[in-house]
Amino acid sequence: SAVISQKPSRDICQRGTSLTIQCQVDSQVTMMFWYRQQPGQSLTLIATANQGSEATYESGFVIDKFPISRPNLTFSTLTVSNLSPEDSSIYLCSVEKGGTDTQYFGPGTRLTVL
Amino acid sequence: GENVEQHPSTLSVQEGDSAVIKCTYSDSASNYFPWYKQELGKGPQLIIDIRSNVGEKKDQRIAVTLNKTAKHFSLHITETQPEDSAVYFCAAGGDTSYGKLTFGQGTILTVHP
Repeated sequence: SAVISQKPSRDICQRGTSLTIQCQVDSQVTMMFWYRQQPGQSLTLIATANQGSEATYESGFVIDKFPISRPNLTFSTLTVSNLSPEDSSIYLCSVEKGGTDTQYFGPGTRLTVL
Repeated sequence: GENVEQHPSTLSVQEGDSAVIKCTYSDSASNYFPWYKQELGKGPQLIIDIRSNVGEKKDQRIAVTLNKTAKHFSLHITETQPEDSAVYFCAAGGDTSYGKLTFGQGTILTVHP
């Protein structure tokens, strides 16, 4: 398995500002993923973040709105830019270990936009 | 792309009863099917997974079955306990998905004491 931490655990932000979420894992992993979970909904993949390459975004998500960094094999950040109330969600990072397809999730960041 | 349908959306059982949650998927190339449990305020936790080379897998009170021909898989929880109350998600992925998983809509399971 993997031990994953996210910061912050929750935040309340004003419309038009940005929030950067950090994801730290206790071991080196190749693949990291960022998901959005809107209230009462399932998980939707935002992007895949591999170290040393640009993040790969899913349909409906763009780099200008959700810039991602992956500076090394244990850390990634997701920024949610130009916030609007519709961005109020839980943001989750996950890691895939050793090419097994198995993903382990962090505890999530609960974002509320006023 | 892959599409995963999950049923039921809510499930209420008495303690000690069994609970069954079913999922269907669309992409016949998918070969990895995990189940996650998400408690309130927490991230999803992997509880069991199955790959396409087996039809059933069991871990204590939890079992998963897979029918590749019909493209459906199910989670079975026996002797349910109040601590089993949570949201359960199925997912599908595999070789052609570059590590990505597609999730079902989730099932809210309530176990009444």
